[in-house]
Amino acid sequence: SQTIHQWPATLVQPVGSPLSLECTVEGTSNPNLYWYRQAAGRGLQLLFYSVGIGQISSEVPQNLSASRPQDRQFILSSKKLLLSDSGFYLCAWSRGAVSGNTIYFGEGSWLTVV
Amino acid sequence: AQSVTQLGSHVSVSEGALVLLRCNYSSSVPPYLFWYVQYPNQGLQLLLKYTTGATLVKGINGFEAEFKKSETSFHLTKPSAHMSDAAEYFCAVSTMNRDDKIIFGKGTRLHILP
Repeated sequence: SQTIHQWPATLVQPVGSPLSLECTVEGTSNPNLYWYRQAAGRGLQLLFYSVGIGQISSEVPQNLSASRPQDRQFILSSKKLLLSDSGFYLCAWSRGAVSGNTIYFGEGSWLTVV
Repeated sequence: AQSVTQLGSHVSVSEGALVLLRCNYSSSVPPYLFWYVQYPNQGLQLLLKYTTGATLVKGINGFEAEFKKSETSFHLTKPSAHMSDAAEYFCAVSTMNRDDKIIFGKGTRLHILP
């Protein structure tokens, strides 16, 4: 069966510091990968998605970036965090259109920028 | 393009009462429809999905949803609410088109009253 893991689960970072959140998927190959952010009371915001190694699409311009160095690894980064970057970050995967784009989520990472 | 609207950001029901969470969608092609549940501080979990075939879909934890094309709706129901059903519920829409992504509603928080 497929599993998805992301870490760290919680993170408190000062403004201006860098960020790295990691996500890996096991049990499948060539998945579509996603990073979402969930701010309080604002639903799910798609940040990045990737259909293959080195292929990243950004949905919202911001000071965050994403990379996919390996088939089943997805990394969310920032060089300098802002207060507004605080939120709950969710990594997710899917098999794409063949499964109706059904998405499976990781456990989430709480980021607090202070 | 697809869109989804969830009516009511908060819904309260008494324990043992009927749960009804409303979702309406917009899609120019046959939709795939989903309900996800999110418990506090966790990722989203797939509750049920409709792709093709039977319009009444049964999911986990006693939930079910009915696809009504004429009403462009996919409401989520459960005959008898349990305290453990308190969570946030997200409706989502996608299609079988390769370039379409899954679109989420803003979520409905379900409160269960003792």
